[in-house]
Amino acid sequence: DAGVIQSPRHEVTEMGQEVTLRCKPISGHDYLFWYRQTMMRGLELLIYFNNNVPIDDSGMPEDRFSAKMPNASFSTLKIQPSEPRDSAVYFCASTHNSRNTEAFFGQGTRLTVV
Amino acid sequence: AQSVTQPDIHITVSEGASLELRCNYSYGATPYLFWYVQSPGQGLQLLLKYFSGDTLVQGIKGFEAEFKRSQSSFNLRKPSVHWSDAAEYFCAVDGNKLVFGAGTILRVKS
Repeated sequence: DAGVIQSPRHEVTEMGQEVTLRCKPISGHDYLFWYRQTMMRGLELLIYFNNNVPIDDSGMPEDRFSAKMPNASFSTLKIQPSEPRDSAVYFCASTHNSRNTEAFFGQGTRLTVV
Repeated sequence: AQSVTQPDIHITVSEGASLELRCNYSYGATPYLFWYVQSPGQGLQLLLKYFSGDTLVQGIKGFEAEFKRSQSSFNLRKPSVHWSDAAEYFCAVDGNKLVFGAGTILRVKS
């Protein structure tokens, strides 16, 4: 397996535009996590899915953020409209079991909103 | 609610010296505990994990960590640091979701 695949690796967009980040988890993994990493706030859990169902979205900062997982092999994180304070590295991770196995991380998407 | 505290933002050690990175957690029951490492521009890689049993766990790259329930700690150690260990280290706890500490940046001086 190629691991968790995120696209794009880098995204630069203007304030107010819609941004969509994509993630392909490892095949067979039933948990998927979206994290945001910034210097100020570290690594924050935004939302996670189990078997394609959102379980906890309490970390989603506001209504401008939304995430979907239409099937076991694909998830999106959308920001609409984007703001400069959304600039961060967004990581997707997947695991077979949330609690006792390793979470595998993608290489992240570096988002810059200007 | 579960939380993780890594009190040291930066640590600098000399190559060959020993290392200890601190981690304290808060959770009502016995959590699952992890240490991850992140190299610049990369995602996180698992170093080691603790679920139960022996409180001293061994990981990759010569790292180990000790779970101390009485102190709610899970400190990471390495007896002799190599220059390639320079990276950011994250402690994580999984009670009902995987939550990370703020990270500790390790610098290694030669």
